[in-house]
Amino acid sequence: AQSVTQLDSQVPVFEEAPVELRCNYSSSVSVYLFWYVQYPNQGLQLLLKYLSGSTLVESINGFEAEFNKSQTSFHLRKPSVHISDTAEYFCAVSEPSSNTGKLIFGQGTTLQVKP
Amino acid sequence: NAGVMQNPRHLVRRRGQEARLRCSPMKGHSHVYWYRQLPEEGLKFMVYLQKENIIDESGMPKERFSAEFPKEGPSILRIQQVVRGDSAAYFCASSPPRQFYEQYFGPGTRLTVT
Repeated sequence: AQSVTQLDSQVPVFEEAPVELRCNYSSSVSVYLFWYVQYPNQGLQLLLKYLSGSTLVESINGFEAEFNKSQTSFHLRKPSVHISDTAEYFCAVSEPSSNTGKLIFGQGTTLQVKP
Repeated sequence: NAGVMQNPRHLVRRRGQEARLRCSPMKGHSHVYWYRQLPEEGLKFMVYLQKENIIDESGMPKERFSAEFPKEGPSILRIQQVVRGDSAAYFCASSPPRQFYEQYFGPGTRLTVT
């Protein structure tokens, strides 16, 4: 069965420092991978996704994630964070072969950016 | 182009009452998904619907919960005889036809059972 593990429940970091949020998944078939961000009392916003092709995907606000098939990982990185990046981040996976689009989410990682 | 709309945003129900949560997908989207976020937990898939069809309800509790997406009008998630354990944030997402990977989420309905 599919599962997603986000290894850190909270990540505190100072402003302008680099950050990595870790995500590992388990699946016996090919997958699509996603990172979503949730600001307080809001819904989820898609940050970036990997469907196929280049294993490095980027978002418009400086985040990037790399799909590593051998390590079954999809870690999220940003070289320099801002206060406004403080939010909860969810890694998710779906199986395109299932034709349902069901997303399996990790437990979430709270990124706390300190001034 | 309005995003996914959910109402109400907050809903308070006493134990034993019914809760009805509504979701209007984005324009042009014919697929709707419901997820539940329990306190201190991630989001869990509940059900996937297309117009007038339930495609995957593998995440729905066996009793008291039902969902529909009629030909006209919003998708409805219905919880009968609510219990305290139903208190959670319920999120709806929608996607265009055949693009399951493009799910756009609504702001959620926060259900509190007293």
